[in-house]
Amino acid sequence: AQKVTQAQTEISVVEKEDVTLDCVYETRDTTYYLFWYKQPPSGELVFLIRRNSFDEQNEISGRYSWNFQKSTSSFNFTITASQVVDSAVYFCALSGAFNTDKLIFGTGTRLQVFP
Amino acid sequence: GAVVSQHPSRVICKSGTSVKIECRSLDFQATTMFWYRQFPKQSLMLMATSNEGSKATYEQGVEKDKFLINHASLTLSTLTVTSAHPEDSSFYICSARPLRSGGYYEQYFGPGTRLTVT
Repeated sequence: AQKVTQAQTEISVVEKEDVTLDCVYETRDTTYYLFWYKQPPSGELVFLIRRNSFDEQNEISGRYSWNFQKSTSSFNFTITASQVVDSAVYFCALSGAFNTDKLIFGTGTRLQVFP
Repeated sequence: GAVVSQHPSRVICKSGTSVKIECRSLDFQATTMFWYRQFPKQSLMLMATSNEGSKATYEQGVEKDKFLINHASLTLSTLTVTSAHPEDSSFYICSARPLRSGGYYEQYFGPGTRLTVT
């Protein structure tokens, strides 16, 4: 069975601090995809990144970076120099490689960035 | 590209009435659409998967007679909440998967519909 665990329910930081959101997953598939989504108060999901299981290279996009480690089944997300606009709920998700595969979401981490 | 719309964005209805939510893929054709429900401060839970022209597949615990899903065309799926009750109040989100061959089957999310049943 596939499962995504986001152990951090809520994180509060002060602006300009770095913050890492943890994501641990379980799957028996050899080919799978991992995602991060942002959900601001408006509710609309914002896609941040997709990573396939064969690509363990870390990714950096502006203030965002992702660390994928298959050895520990983790796909952590770091925001550098956080800003108030980063306040949102962040979801990690997992999917298999087939068209019929579902997207399995973690429980989400609520990030509050205070000025 | 790859825009998914939902209508309405917000709806308030009285207990016992039915509500229909539309999910449209605006610039692509979607063989598969998904419906999720999200209660306050909780994660997205998949309710059902619908494929164009066939019956929807419901997740365990989701009442198919209460949540009617129709996927009549490659760009439109509807979710009807029948005889709605206050406990059905939630945020409903759809997503659509485009026709393609090979590679990852992307899923694009709609903006969600907030349903309040009074």
